[in-house]
Parts: sequence; structure tokens; C-alpha cells
Amino acid sequence: DSGVTQTPKHLITATGQRVTLRCSPRSGDLSVYWYQQSLDQGLQFLIQYYNGEERAKGNILERFSAQQFPDLHSELNLSSLELGDSALYFCASSVVPGTYEQYFGPGTRLTVT
Amino acid sequence: GIQVEQSPPDLILQEGANSTLRCNFSDSVNNLQWFHQNPWGQLINLFYIPSGTKQNGRLSATTVATERYSLLYISSSQTTDSGVYFCAVRSNFGNEKLTFGTGTRLTIIP
Repeated sequence: DSGVTQTPKHLITATGQRVTLRCSPRSGDLSVYWYQQSLDQGLQFLIQYYNGEERAKGNILERFSAQQFPDLHSELNLSSLELGDSALYFCASSVVPGTYEQYFGPGTRLTVT
Repeated sequence: GIQVEQSPPDLILQEGANSTLRCNFSDSVNNLQWFHQNPWGQLINLFYIPSGTKQNGRLSATTVATERYSLLYISSSQTTDSGVYFCAVRSNFGNEKLTFGTGTRLTIIP
């Protein structure tokens, strides 16, 4: 158990819908990262937050957004869902940004039908 | 951006065998992590090893940062070792994201 929690574990929804994925980092970790794992793109970085502020963006679509709240949990919002958004979404956390080890949550498996 | 290549892409071994997985990266890094993704999809941290050698039970890892590669050794393989092994690096340049390789799929046959 990495100490990072994600909910829900599984999500099945229809095209055009909107979903919210939730992540709680390890106790004491200030930085949260979101990654997407799809069959064709592999594991890719989406976005990073540090102590409530957006710190870096990767290959995140405009239909996706995220935020980190004062209690340091983070939410990833996916809207106008397409079939190609079906993937495993991971949240990771580290103490602070930088060279520190990232610990990954169990992931949320999203299926868009 | 930084490129990460893992080899071999697939490996099938008998239980009890030893294996070596390789990770090559194209630029200098200040973070390198090895992960095991189990059949349920969970990413398990194995090693945080930007340089040097570490051991944890039957697993060990070595990173030679100056030559831009890392090796993961698995000895006396067990069926529970099956899954996909990923190497991920953080480049010295750019943001703090991890860039993942495409993985090595290991299958251990009883």
C-alpha cells in the first residue's frame, strides 16, 4: 500500500458525459501528479500540482481539468468524454517537487461506452 | 524530450530462473524509478535509484547515470513476479514529471 488513495476504482460512463476522479496523497506529501495509461499511448504525464497551485502541464486535453484543494486532495475532471478517453488514470504524490520519489495510487479504470 | 527504451519487450521464463531487464535513457536524469505493474493494474514502487546499486530481497537494481542506463535483476523468479516492469525517469531539464518506458512484460511459468 503506497498510502495514495484514489476513488472510484472503476467507472463506466457514456460518451459526452463528465466524470470526476479523486486522489488523496500520502500524509505529508505536497505535490500531486496525474498520469494516464492507455493501450496506444502508454503511461503519460497529464498535470502536476504543488501545495494547491498548478506547477506543470503535460499532454492534457482541454476537455480535462484538475485542481488541488487546501487539504491537498486533488480532483481530475474529464468532460465531453470520448471512446478514446478510456484508460487507467493514476495519481502520484511526492513530498515536494524535485528529485523525490513518486508514489502511485491504485488507479481509476475509466471505460467510456 | 527525454527518450526511455526498455528491453526486452517480452520475457518468458521458468520459475526459479534469473533475469535482467534493461532501461536506456537519452539524457541526464536526477530521478529514476523501477515499478512493477501487477495483473490488477497496480503500480508497485520497486526502487528509487538515480545512481548506484540497491538490493531488496530477490530484486536488485543498478543505475550508471554517466552511461545512461539502469538494470533490474530478478533472481529465483516466482509466478508472482509476472507482470510488466516499467522504468521511469525525471530529466535534469524541464519539469518534475516522470517519463516512462514502454515496459518489459515478464511471464513466469510454473
